[in-house]
Amino acid sequence: DTAVSQTPKYLVTQMGNDKSIKCEQNLGHDTMYWYKQDSKKFLKIMFSYNNKELIINETVPNRFSPKSPDKAHLNLHINSLELGDSAVYFCASSQDPPPESTQYFGPGTRLTVL
Amino acid sequence: AQSVTQLGSHVSVSEGALVLLRCNYSSSVPPYLFWYVQYPNQGLQLLLKYTSAATLVKGINGFEAEFKKSETSFHLTKPSAHMSDAAEYFCAVSDGGGSQGNLIFGKGTKLSVKP
Repeated sequence: DTAVSQTPKYLVTQMGNDKSIKCEQNLGHDTMYWYKQDSKKFLKIMFSYNNKELIINETVPNRFSPKSPDKAHLNLHINSLELGDSAVYFCASSQDPPPESTQYFGPGTRLTVL
Repeated sequence: AQSVTQLGSHVSVSEGALVLLRCNYSSSVPPYLFWYVQYPNQGLQLLLKYTSAATLVKGINGFEAEFKKSETSFHLTKPSAHMSDAAEYFCAVSDGGGSQGNLIFGKGTKLSVKP
């Protein structure tokens, strides 16, 4: 049983398109996150959700919007994709909000924008 | 603002040798510190974390790390490297709740293990 799953694993698309990445966790956690890992492997938090409420929104473009239909899901929707959006996107979850809670990561979605 | 510096983007050791991955942090308050490992084409997995209990923290797969406040360090060690330890290792810091409490990652250290 996969604890945190993401679909799709790979996503190749053209500039200007709109795409979504889905994330589901079966751990019963209350907080979920999205991270972006760039080509140099640098990881940066994008969003986190606690009990369906956004508790932090880093300085990411408003083309990115997280959507949480329920506590187990946090999807990432991206409008008007740009070349610079190419990266690996990781979903994660934790039982409690930061700072000391352990985060469990999904396998990642590699997004390539052509 | 908190930050993490990992010294050495790439470390190479022989199988059976000591593994030492360096991490220094900057934080205005006592921090929470983490080491995560990323195997090729996989997500991150927690190795260990420091939450102000014991300064020497033991993690999975034989890894441990020591919190040294005077040196603002949290270096990761393992006495004897295995081939399966080859991966990318990330140190992270979190020093507060709310918007200040999320994980700030270092740039990672790639560990190679030679037979």
